[in-house]
Amino acid sequence: EAQVTQNPRYLITVTGKKLTVTCSQNMNHEYMSWYRQDPGLGLRQIYYSMNVEVTDKGDVPEGYKVSRKEKRNFPLILESPSPNQTSLYFCASSFGGRAYTGELFFGEGSRLTVL
Amino acid sequence: AQKITQTQPGMFVQEKEAVTLDCTYDTSDPSYGLFWYKQPSSGEMIFLIYQGSYDQQNATEGRYSLNFQKARKSANLVISASQLGDSAMYFCAMREGRRGSARQLTFGSGTQLTVLP
Repeated sequence: EAQVTQNPRYLITVTGKKLTVTCSQNMNHEYMSWYRQDPGLGLRQIYYSMNVEVTDKGDVPEGYKVSRKEKRNFPLILESPSPNQTSLYFCASSFGGRAYTGELFFGEGSRLTVL
Repeated sequence: AQKITQTQPGMFVQEKEAVTLDCTYDTSDPSYGLFWYKQPSSGEMIFLIYQGSYDQQNATEGRYSLNFQKARKSANLVISASQLGDSAMYFCAMREGRRGSARQLTFGSGTQLTVLP
């Protein structure tokens, strides 16, 4: 089954304790991306990756890191989480051709609470 | 300027009636895609429908149709014969095809639809 898998789905942590949210896709997609969703703001892009070892900042990258060492995985790292990073996080992937404007496939979301 | 604008924070519709959710967009790129996603209370993002900027006909997927008016830069979602299960948050989004761009999906702020029995 084609899917984007995120873990953990739910996490409560404390300020300053490093955490990683994993994302894996089995569709051989070049493009992967992380979004956060906050009430009234829709989804905002944090980081994206056009392919292995190619990553770049989205609209709200502060406080986050990513890596893309393998095509299927795109983990999101919070080195020192703060309460303003409490949010619902989505990983998404798609084919990445230059002219491609098609559908993104989303993971089920990871709800993070930072106390 | 907002790239995607959804002006209806909340909408109510009677079961079995049709409802239109508004979406306007802003881009100077001739190549783009417009999407609608549904987010039920469980939180996942469910893809509903896609319209490419060069598509001549309005997209349809079952009870969903996208009323694409390119000159007005609008991409309204029409849900026919509403069902209780349609109650959810609906997001309009755009993906631009500009050379060298991030191909990111830009989202609107969403419309919370409630279907009344």
